[in-house]
Amino acid sequence: QQQVKQSPQSLIVQKGGISIINCAYENTAFDYFPWYQQFPGKGPALLIAIRPDVSEKKEGRFTISFNKSAKQFSLHIMDSQPGDSATYFCAASLDRDKIIFGKGTRLHILP
Amino acid sequence: EADIYQTPRYLVIGTGKKITLECSQTMGHDKMYWYQQDPGMELHLIHYSYGVNSTEKGDLSSESTVSRIRTEHFPLTLESARPSHTSQYLCASSDPIDRRQFFGPGTRLTVL
Repeated sequence: QQQVKQSPQSLIVQKGGISIINCAYENTAFDYFPWYQQFPGKGPALLIAIRPDVSEKKEGRFTISFNKSAKQFSLHIMDSQPGDSATYFCAASLDRDKIIFGKGTRLHILP
Repeated sequence: EADIYQTPRYLVIGTGKKITLECSQTMGHDKMYWYQQDPGMELHLIHYSYGVNSTEKGDLSSESTVSRIRTEHFPLTLESARPSHTSQYLCASSDPIDRRQFFGPGTRLTVL
């Protein structure tokens, strides 16, 4: 019940296309859903986050869509660029508890 | 930019050696974490701390130990390193208000 399931494991998108990564969770008590971006040789860094009282949050080319009834949320990267090539982790947490990370998606944007 | 530091960045050692991976942060965060990660792969939580003198084991069993004597410092120790410990170790701390985790650059450990 504490898991966050992420798909796909890897994704290849043409430059300018839309990258979509999906996550699902079971624990309805989760109240914070962040996405982290990790480049090779670096630690992950927070990209964007959403709380369950909001269905969508947009920051630049990055959008989180949240479906509370389906217990799913997704990251959309519009106009994907080669610089977006990285590993992306969705996550969820409950109040002041530790964050539960998905297994990650390796995104490669073709130039 | 996150003020969380890890040393060394790279470490190659022989089997049986004792090592300590250092992690420090200047943000005054109470919560700190250690993750083990093979390159580009899943993050495994191995230890966490909610403040001074508080340490807990994470979801992935680890032979390492941690201590938290000062808020800013959260070192990880391996008493006797083995090749199976070869991995990347990431330290993080979290903001108490927005729960954002700040990660250090990681230590890439290779045990021969």
